[in-house]
Amino acid sequence: DGGITQSPKYLFRKEGQNVTLSCEQNLNHDAMYWYRQDPGQGLRLIYYSQIVNDFQKGDIAEGYSVSREKKESFPLTVTSAQKNPTAFYLCASREGGDTGELFFGEGSRLTVL
Amino acid sequence: RKEVEQDPGPFNVPEGATVAFNCTYSNSASQSFFWYRQDCRKEPKLLMSVYSSGNEDGRFTAQLNRASQYISLLIRDSKLSDSATYLCVAYSNSGYALNFGKGTSLLVTP
Repeated sequence: DGGITQSPKYLFRKEGQNVTLSCEQNLNHDAMYWYRQDPGQGLRLIYYSQIVNDFQKGDIAEGYSVSREKKESFPLTVTSAQKNPTAFYLCASREGGDTGELFFGEGSRLTVL
Repeated sequence: RKEVEQDPGPFNVPEGATVAFNCTYSNSASQSFFWYRQDCRKEPKLLMSVYSSGNEDGRFTAQLNRASQYISLLIRDSKLSDSATYLCVAYSNSGYALNFGKGTSLLVTP
């Protein structure tokens, strides 16, 4: 079955540690996205990538980094520079171009202690 | 002004009622719009795409009003299982990044 897989589903980390969230898709989609969701805030765009080896900052990129070395993979690193990293992180993908729905992974819930 | 704005609700309606949500967008060049449904602590899932001519899927109807820059979602004969948060989505200026509204919370009661 095609889809998007995020891991881990739940993650606990100490303050000051970097954390990498995995996102893999086998839908052959060109574009991939990372969103962050806080209670009552809706989804806010962190980074997106339209094609391999290229990515763009979203609205809240500070404290995060990404890479897109393979079409299938778009990992997100939450660095120690991110002030409030505790959140629900959602990865999504879609076909290229300016239309097409987003397909989401099940999300990764990060809690920083 | 945020690119996509929604009334957060909550909308509390009895079973069988008809309920409508609106969502305004600021980018007049947006070509694609969607409604997503999100259950508590789950990922959003596509409910409907929104076409210029409007579209209907069973009890759900989506409309686009370009002149006033809003999209709407109408749910007829509400079911308990319709309780969720409904997110509207519009493409941003770049055409590649999608912007979400904060979501409208719906609670259907017996």
